[in-house]
Amino acid sequence: SAVISQKPSRDICQRGTSLTIQCQVDSQVTMMFWYRQQPGQSLTLIATANQGSEATYESGFVIDKFPISRPNLTFSTLTVSNMSPEDSSIYLCSAGLDTQYFGPGTRLTVL
Amino acid sequence: DAKTTQPPSMDCAEGRAANLPCNHSTISGNEYVYWYRQIHSQGPQYIIHGLKNNETNEMASLIITEDRKSSTLILPHATLRDTAVYYCIVRVAGRGSNYKLTFGKGTLLTVNP
Repeated sequence: SAVISQKPSRDICQRGTSLTIQCQVDSQVTMMFWYRQQPGQSLTLIATANQGSEATYESGFVIDKFPISRPNLTFSTLTVSNMSPEDSSIYLCSAGLDTQYFGPGTRLTVL
Repeated sequence: DAKTTQPPSMDCAEGRAANLPCNHSTISGNEYVYWYRQIHSQGPQYIIHGLKNNETNEMASLIITEDRKSSTLILPHATLRDTAVYYCIVRVAGRGSNYKLTFGKGTLLTVNP
């Protein structure tokens, strides 16, 4: 199994600012994934982050709003840019070789 | 990936077995059945997965019907800590770009004292 940590665990941000969320895996993995969970909803995939190439975004998500970095096989960041209250969600990263494991999530509140 | 259908909620008495059903009638031959659970706003926790044979681990058992169109997750002795949303997901095997998980609404299991 993979152990995944995220920073920060939660944050409260002002409208118009940006927040970068970090995801660290305890083993090397090819692919990492970023999900969003809006209040009372299920998880929605934002993008797939492959080391050494640009992230692949799902329909409804764009790179300008959610830029992703993947500098090595154990680390990734997701930035939520120009935030609005609608971006208030839990953001989760996941990774794994065969079975996907999830981090604890970052609870973001935008005022 | 095939879609899944789960009841929105279920109740179970503490100490009894919890049987959570999942329908996946359009599952393909190369798709696995995965179960995750999410305890209030925490990250989803992997439980178990299988292809066509029944599987058991320290957390649960997974029973897949012979035609693979449905499955049941069994928590043999439910505790209050098992109260969570349980997600049944089907996805193709392998590590490629189609490795992503598509979450439905899941089943909210409430274990009562």
